[in-house]
Amino acid sequence: AQSVTQLDSQVPVFEEAPVELRCNYSSSVSVYLFWYVQYPNQGLQLLLKYLSGSTLVESINGFEAEFNKSQTSFHLRKPSVHISDTAEYFCAVSRYSGGGADGLTFGKGTHLIIQP
Amino acid sequence: GAVVSQHPSRVICKSGTSVKIECRSLDFQATTMFWYRQFPKKSLMLMATSNEGSKATYEQGVEKDKFLINHASLTLSTLTVTSAHPEDSSFYICSARDSLAGETQYFGPGTRLLVL
Repeated sequence: AQSVTQLDSQVPVFEEAPVELRCNYSSSVSVYLFWYVQYPNQGLQLLLKYLSGSTLVESINGFEAEFNKSQTSFHLRKPSVHISDTAEYFCAVSRYSGGGADGLTFGKGTHLIIQP
Repeated sequence: GAVVSQHPSRVICKSGTSVKIECRSLDFQATTMFWYRQFPKKSLMLMATSNEGSKATYEQGVEKDKFLINHASLTLSTLTVTSAHPEDSSFYICSARDSLAGETQYFGPGTRLLVL
């Protein structure tokens, strides 16, 4: 079984400041790692994913996450946040099985609040 | 990007009735879909894996006779909450795994179920 821990339920940050949302996971097998974002009154959207290869992955809107196997972490960072980044962020993992990724195990989410 | 729809978006029903929720992949084929449940201020929990043409696989603690899943085609999975009770009130979200890119799941917007 896998588990995901997002230690911060809420992170307030001033606009244009950097932010890091923490994610740690545990698993007895290799996993895929994901960050999903949920804007108010909207569905989950994939932000970025780590499957293999380079441990640093980037999204198109300036977020990046780094897979650290020794620390079993996949923290999400952005050097300068914008008001529009206000949302709930979910870290998730899944195993790989024959046809693709299994169902996701999610963390409890981190609510990113951007203050003007 | 890939689009997944859910219908209805919101449903209110009386205790004891059954409710069917549809999940469709609109522009890709999905041999595998997943059903999740999201409680208020909590994370998503995987309920079951829906495979086209075969029986669904349920997670531990999820009653298969309570939550009937049918995946009759490569673009449609349905979740039927049978004999619904107030404790079944929740936000139900489906995701679809692209058959050609098996590591990523695309999420529907969710269905809010309220059982009176």
